[in-house]
Amino acid sequence: QSALTQPASVSGSPGQSITISCTGTSSDVGGYNFVSWYQLHPGTAPKLMIYEVSNRPLGVSNRFSGSKSGNTASLTISGLQAEDEADYYCSSYTSYNTLHVLFGGGTKLTVL
Amino acid sequence: QAQVVQSGAEVKRPGASVKVSCKASGYTFTGYYMYWVRHAPGQGLEWMGWINPNGGGTKYAMKFQGRVTMTRDSSISTAYMELSRLRSDDTAVYYCARGSGYYYAGYYMDVWGKGTTVTVSS
Repeated sequence: QSALTQPASVSGSPGQSITISCTGTSSDVGGYNFVSWYQLHPGTAPKLMIYEVSNRPLGVSNRFSGSKSGNTASLTISGLQAEDEADYYCSSYTSYNTLHVLFGGGTKLTVL
Repeated sequence: QAQVVQSGAEVKRPGASVKVSCKASGYTFTGYYMYWVRHAPGQGLEWMGWINPNGGGTKYAMKFQGRVTMTRDSSISTAYMELSRLRSDDTAVYYCARGSGYYYAGYYMDVWGKGTTVTVSS
């Protein structure tokens, strides 16, 4: 089964908002509300930013929000800050029986 | 607070095996599945499998079946991932991460290790 589809890169200026899409199928993103998003800064542990489509863990800024429509999930970051520059990965539970979760290919966010 | 600490970087020859450890603290080890995820250079994250520390049950991604073995030692709250018959394209950062469910696999990973770099080179 193929990875979920994300744009390779997005960019925005400080204070702006950006949205990262994550497209799958009815066997994963579209079929379950189990989409999560992770932030990767080089050399540090990945950080859970959003779980179950739109829930934020304690400690994650409310500038981060998630949504889903059909087979596409989205991560929106508002009020961009320099420290938001990182790689972002979406993930979804999948009913494909030889996997459990699928990841997207990752999106590099550049804050201009 | 919950955390997982992984073993240090490894350099291996093609054909060898590597065993990465992941020590959990700050939570009930047997209550949460441990996922293993890898990140190869220039590639996306890739789910390798999980282990249920409460009983040792495992599920592996088809891609790794036959080469990967996940085990645990509950007495020291440590999970292990061993990958055999290493190839150059196994060069990656390997992460352990706690599954979100309490006594079930869950659907996301909420506590991650900092990763273990495994380099496969002749």
